[in-house]
Amino acid sequence: GENVEQHPSTLSVQEGDSAVIKCTYSDSASNYFPWYKQELGKGPQLIIDIRSNVGEKKDQRIAVTLNKTAKHFSLHITETQPEDSAVYFCAALSNQAGTALIFGKGTTLSVSS
Amino acid sequence: GAVVSQHPSRVICKSGTSVKIECRSLDFQATTMFWYRQFPKQSLMLMATSNEGSKATYEQGVEKDKFLINHASLTLSTLTVTSAHPEDSSFYICSASPTTADRFHYEQYFGPGTRLTVT
Repeated sequence: GENVEQHPSTLSVQEGDSAVIKCTYSDSASNYFPWYKQELGKGPQLIIDIRSNVGEKKDQRIAVTLNKTAKHFSLHITETQPEDSAVYFCAALSNQAGTALIFGKGTTLSVSS
Repeated sequence: GAVVSQHPSRVICKSGTSVKIECRSLDFQATTMFWYRQFPKQSLMLMATSNEGSKATYEQGVEKDKFLINHASLTLSTLTVTSAHPEDSSFYICSASPTTADRFHYEQYFGPGTRLTVT
């Protein structure tokens, strides 16, 4: 089955700096890779996703890159703000209807002002 | 769009009682919903996959008789924790994926979670 590794587990940056979180996956059949942001006591919020037929996707300050050959994908947050502080999870999904996401262990991002 | 609600958001119950948690997709239909459990500072652990109109598929190690799942409609799935014990205290989160008649959508949207405390 699929296994998703996520690094780093914690990340501290200064406001305005960039933050990068990396994930690797094991199942070459996986073709959908979302990123979620979870604030304390809340459910995960989908912030960006990418499919395997695309190498990069941007949404304002957030971007995700995918390297299918190496089986890794990364989340890039530019111009970080204190409100970006949260736990970020990457996930992978194989190309089967009704299958569940496999999550990484999460990265706690702290942005200090 | 793509809003998932959960009720209740918090519940405290006594050991031995049962608790029902509802998960609703408010503005889309979801043939499949998922139930997760999350311990403090840990990732989401998949408990079961709930399919409308059929029995849920449970992950290894999850007791189906203890965690009863019902997916009665395309917008509602319920998780009942039966004979709850303190070790069942956790954050329970559901997710749902929009489906259409001709295509399965990959996006999964999560509910806000339910904090269960068993005393």
